[in-house]
Amino acid sequence: GENVEQHPSTLSVQEGDSAVIKCTYSDSASNYFPWYKQELGKRPQLIIDIRSNVGEKKDQRIAVTLNKTAKHFSLHITETQPEDSAVYFCAAPLLEGDNYGQNFVFGPGTRLSVLP
Amino acid sequence: DSGVTQTPKHLITATGQRVTLRCSPRSGDLSVYWYQQSLDQGLQFLIQYYNGEERAKGNILERFSAQQFPDLHSELNLSSLELGDSALYFCASSPDGQYYGYTFGSGTRLTVV
Repeated sequence: GENVEQHPSTLSVQEGDSAVIKCTYSDSASNYFPWYKQELGKRPQLIIDIRSNVGEKKDQRIAVTLNKTAKHFSLHITETQPEDSAVYFCAAPLLEGDNYGQNFVFGPGTRLSVLP
Repeated sequence: DSGVTQTPKHLITATGQRVTLRCSPRSGDLSVYWYQQSLDQGLQFLIQYYNGEERAKGNILERFSAQQFPDLHSELNLSSLELGDSALYFCASSPDGQYYGYTFGSGTRLTVV
C-alpha cells in the first residue's frame, strides 16, 4: 500500500517570505496528488492538486511541483500572509482493488505559522 | 458551504453512551468517507461507503460502525464511548473516478466526559 511522509511537521516564516512543504510517496504508480489546508477548528479544504502528467501547477500564490523519479511533491506558498497560517496535508491515492485511485493516504500534516 | 452536511456540529456525552453522527454527501457523489481527528493529530481514516456498500476499512474500532442509506446519507455509530474517543469526526465525499479530491464536511466535535 501507499506510504506518505511529510516534512517539516512545523514551519514558521515571516510574513512575505516563502514556505515550502515536501511530501514523499512510495507507490511509483501514484498519479494524482491533492493538498488540503485546515484552519484551526475548521474542515480540511482542497487548495491545489496535480496530476502525474505535469511537473508543476500554479494558482496565484500557491504552486505544487512533482518529481516522479524521486517520488516527491512539494507545496510552495509565496508572499505568505497571516491568513496562510494553518495545517497543510498532502495526500496520495491508494491504487488497489475496487477503490482504485479514489481513496487516499494523508501525510501527517505541517503546521505553518506566518509571523507578522 | 462545501455541499457536505454533517450533524450535529457539537456533541457532549458521558462515557459508556452511544451516539450517531450523520453525513449527507455532495449531490452526485456516491462515496462517503469517515475520518477521526484527535487534538493536534492527523486525519485517521475510519471507513468508506460507496453507493450503499462498505468499500474500505481503516483503523475503525469494533465499537464503531457505519452505514450508508439508499439516499446516500451515511451514519457513524459510536458505542461504549471512552474519554479517548473525544475528537473531531469528519465526513467527506467524492465523485466517481480518479483525479478527484475529497470535499469535507464541517465536522462533528465529540466530547466524552
